[in-house]
Amino acid sequence: KNQVEQSPQSLIILEGKNCTLQCNYTVSPFSNLRWYKQDTGRGPVSLTIMTFSENTKSNGRYTATLDADTKQSSLHITASQLSDSASYICVVSFYSGTYKYIFGTGTRLKVLA
Amino acid sequence: DGGITQSPKYLFRKEGQNVTLSCEQNLNHDAMYWYRQDPGQGLRLIYYSQIVNDFQKGDIAEGYSVSREKKESFPLTVTSAQKNPTAFYLCASSIVARLNTEAFFGQGTRLTVV
Repeated sequence: KNQVEQSPQSLIILEGKNCTLQCNYTVSPFSNLRWYKQDTGRGPVSLTIMTFSENTKSNGRYTATLDADTKQSSLHITASQLSDSASYICVVSFYSGTYKYIFGTGTRLKVLA
Repeated sequence: DGGITQSPKYLFRKEGQNVTLSCEQNLNHDAMYWYRQDPGQGLRLIYYSQIVNDFQKGDIAEGYSVSREKKESFPLTVTSAQKNPTAFYLCASSIVARLNTEAFFGQGTRLTVV
């Protein structure tokens, strides 16, 4: 069964600290993996996208890693800011007649001053 | 501005009523999607469309209907047959048939049954 699991479910950190969010998947055949940031009550916005051959992708203070062998990805946030408070969703896509997306349940991050 | 627009932002429905959520995009994307988001769950696919006048059921299509008469528009109707419609609804679009296809999301519609 195609699944995407994220951990932790929620996380609280102090402003300026780093954190790492995890994503494990059992999706096959794998097409790509992306991380989205979703502010409360808003639509998700893409942070990074990685294909099978990529193992690291950065977007400012966000760095995503992908290990296609172990089917794990992580999102590292450096020097967190209050505006980083949001849900972070891992999405894995695969091809089955058309491209489809499997969404994780997200990690809710709260950054405190 | 290019993007995907959902309306309304908030919608209230009485028991037994049908309501229609609007989704419009000017990104010239072929594919459009409707997702439902509930607390503690990942986004679940309701319907998707790869081309005008064609659409396919997703994982939770019961109680919903869609149309795709224009490339830019993919409205979702929540019918009275949907027993638990209160949720956050997200519309997305993407270019199909590309390896790194990315889904762009609208800002969502929060539907509440009153």
